[in-house]
Amino acid sequence: GIQVEQSPPDLILQEGANSTLRCNFSDSVNNLQWFHQNPWGQLINLFYIPSGTKQNGRLSATTVATERYSLLYISSSQTTDSGVYFCAVEPETGTYKYIFGTGTRLKVLA
Amino acid sequence: EAQVTQNPRYLITVTGKKLTVTCSQNMNHEYMSWYRQDPGLGLRQIYYSMNVEVTDKGDVPEGYKVSRKEKRNFPLILESPSPNQTSLYFCASSHLAGAQDEQFFGPGTRLTVL
Repeated sequence: GIQVEQSPPDLILQEGANSTLRCNFSDSVNNLQWFHQNPWGQLINLFYIPSGTKQNGRLSATTVATERYSLLYISSSQTTDSGVYFCAVEPETGTYKYIFGTGTRLKVLA
Repeated sequence: EAQVTQNPRYLITVTGKKLTVTCSQNMNHEYMSWYRQDPGLGLRQIYYSMNVEVTDKGDVPEGYKVSRKEKRNFPLILESPSPNQTSLYFCASSHLAGAQDEQFFGPGTRLTVL
């Protein structure tokens, strides 16, 4: 089945720094989403982005479907950005299953 | 307010005692799904449903049952829970997958099986 790999697994930043998180997937996908899991365990939608580029405030994401990767950019990071970032894909197999990456754990220091 | 709700939020039970975790959404979504989250393994899909009376297995369905008798509800049933089902469970919903719509997640249910 499809493999979804995220890098880096862990990231520590000083407040105000920028970062790039990467999601690689091994096969074609219909759907890709980025989520933030906050320290209380809540999963928050960031982007639905099977292709192209989107921006929402300090966050933006780009998916290059033909090269099978997606990037999440966080600019001017804040302590509230801490948590785990997941990408999830729906493979182009017609099964409507979702596969999550193992996440990038981000800690932003004040 | 558009939301996915789960109950209970926390549950401690004993091996073999049947339990049900409820999930409800008020967005008229066709697609609903259950995931479990374990340290180091990310989220793994247990079961999903395309619509009423249409369910299918995800990657880790063993030991779980689901039903979809109404569009808004998608309960997760553990007939005989075991300690390896101790986990954080999430329910999610979206408009029909493949119609390119995003999933919305419930707040999670933390289950401990002793």
